[in-house]
Amino acid sequence: GAGVSQSPRYKVAKRGQDVALRCDPISGHVSLFWYQQALGQGPEFLTYFQNEAQLDKSGLPSDRFFAERPEGSVSTLKIQRTQQEDSAVYLCASSQRGTAGELFFGEGSRLTVL
Amino acid sequence: DAKTTQPNSMESNEEEPVHLPCNHSTISGTDYIHWYRQLPSQGPEYVIHGLTSNVNNRMASLAIAEDRKSSTLILHRATLRDAAVYYCILRRGGNQFYFGTGTSLTVIP
Repeated sequence: GAGVSQSPRYKVAKRGQDVALRCDPISGHVSLFWYQQALGQGPEFLTYFQNEAQLDKSGLPSDRFFAERPEGSVSTLKIQRTQQEDSAVYLCASSQRGTAGELFFGEGSRLTVL
Repeated sequence: DAKTTQPNSMESNEEEPVHLPCNHSTISGTDYIHWYRQLPSQGPEYVIHGLTSNVNNRMASLAIAEDRKSSTLILHRATLRDAAVYYCILRRGGNQFYFGTGTSLTVIP
């Protein structure tokens, strides 16, 4: 596709449910990032992939958060046993390796945990 | 973390220049300065970046202080479509981007 695609755009979950958020990066982009953005705040880094390798997961807030990118393209962010504090917009971004680092963001997935 | 400090909000009249400041006193020698903007209900959009020298592109200009502890994003003629939250970011390492608090820019017709 022309840009980074994320689905679903909106997700409502009951506390304790598991959710999965999908990111389709721009074709050929090697690097992929996940960010979490709480209401009124700037995006906060969660994790980074280069191809299928997860090189940095230092921003994942707990072991309930898990991300994968098994074939180096599509990525999934999974949140187990969701809590109310997980309510946020989850942004995915991709970039070409070797560029000056411009990130291309998707529109985000808004998660609301009731 | 590589911290940046920005004013929470600014206003500008349409078709006038806008100067958005950013302080990054803890910047290290290899940190790049990036600016992104975010419109409501959208993901952030790249604006410009630089290391030491001032930079210009079709969207904006970036003026970097000589000591690199501050920078200014310059929109030469603000339009209503420029109303957004502008983030000043230090890129530390190859793929570490730390977003600041952002400045909410209001453009007055």
